Amino acid sequence: GQQLNQSPQSMFIQEGEDVSMNCTSSSIFNTWLWYKQEPGEGPVLLIALYKAGELTSNGRLTAQFGITRKDSFLNISASIPSDVGIYFCAGVGGTSYGKLTFGQGTILTVHP
Amino acid sequence: EAGVVQSPRYKIIEKKQPVAFWCNPISGHNTLYWYRQNLGQGPELLIRYENEEAVDDSQLPKDRFSAERLKGVDSTLKIQPAELGDSAVYLCASSLAGTYGEQYFGPGTRLTVT
Repeated sequence: GQQLNQSPQSMFIQEGEDVSMNCTSSSIFNTWLWYKQEPGEGPVLLIALYKAGELTSNGRLTAQFGITRKDSFLNISASIPSDVGIYFCAGVGGTSYGKLTFGQGTILTVHP
Repeated sequence: EAGVVQSPRYKIIEKKQPVAFWCNPISGHNTLYWYRQNLGQGPELLIRYENEEAVDDSQLPKDRFSAERLKGVDSTLKIQPAELGDSAVYLCASSLAGTYGEQYFGPGTRLTVT
């Protein structure tokens, strides 16, 4: 089946630093999404991308849908302690129509 | 607007026992999903409903798992009998019809099988 490779697996940063993480696939997706999950909670949708090349922001978060439709990245600017959590990329489309295929997640730790 | 509601939040059972999880999706969301999330991994789809119809259950282990969504609103996922390997978080999500990308998740049920 389709797989998403998300990197890095974990990040330890200081408050105020910028963060970048990405997701790649061997298959094409029609939609890319980024979710954040905190302990004991379900994933929360951060950004949804629908067109190749699309660049979308949500506050300090910016995500892009890769031109090849096989990758996406998420940037977080000026990180704060509440950014701590696990960030997942997810794709929809191709052979995974109607369902989300998730990456393995990036664990983000922010030191005050 | 209320989000996706799931219960119970936690469940501990012995192997070979049955267990059931309940989900109430966001009002107006016709599509409902059950996912399983193993520790350290992303969620994986078990079953997707469009209203009352299960349109994708290819990942559901049908020998022990069953699900229903009788009136096209809330849903129940059952495991009988449970095995040690079923320990995971079971997530329910919902979306508007046709918007498979924008799925909204509930808090999940953490199942521990001993």
